[in-house]
Amino acid sequence: DIQMTQSPSSLSANVGDRVIITCQASQDITKSLNWFQQKPGKAPKLLIYDASNLETGVPSRFSGSGSETDFTFTISSLQPDDFATYYCQQYDNLPITFGQGTRLEIK
Amino acid sequence: EVQLVESGGGLVQPGGSLRLSCVAAGFTFSSYEMNWVRQAPGKGLEWISYIRETGSTIYYADSVQGRFTISRDNAKNSLFLQMNSLRVEDTAVYYCARGPLGYLDFWGQGTLVSVSS
Repeated sequence: DIQMTQSPSSLSANVGDRVIITCQASQDITKSLNWFQQKPGKAPKLLIYDASNLETGVPSRFSGSGSETDFTFTISSLQPDDFATYYCQQYDNLPITFGQGTRLEIK
Repeated sequence: EVQLVESGGGLVQPGGSLRLSCVAAGFTFSSYEMNWVRQAPGKGLEWISYIRETGSTIYYADSVQGRFTISRDNAKNSLFLQMNSLRVEDTAVYYCARGPLGYLDFWGQGTLVSVSS
């Protein structure tokens, strides 16, 4: 199975901060990577697909980049609604696998 | 409005069985691939099964292969997960998610399965 390693596991930040989360795959997955946001007690929400494409309706402060094994997820200016847990997900090979999550908290 | 509503969760003893359902509304269910993804309490996400629009192609994670069966009834806009030989480690919230493996664009709110004696 492809292992997805997110960093950091948790992060404290202020409203207005720029936040970067990284995701590393255990092997080349080209650009077969998505990013999800999950709030407590809620279902995950797709934010970014194919490494860098913004899902319809998602604010432009969210962005993604990367390819092969190294990927980055950025929130350009953190808003109060953004405090949540974020997951990367690869779909290059079965089984599809998720990173362990990055919990983003208010500083 | 797109809706996915899961049901069928509950408390079951180890070795027992449960059948989860996911009813879809607001889109043409028969045109979409579907998945089940679970999340153990306080843990991350684990994909467990996929089914093609017609049911012709099915995949499972190794952790559930041989114990769980995914199926669908397009006439009833419904997705199912038959779970047999349940283990304590199957305790989780189970989500149905719409889309191919690379584009899970909509998820239900989940149903909790607790396996305990």
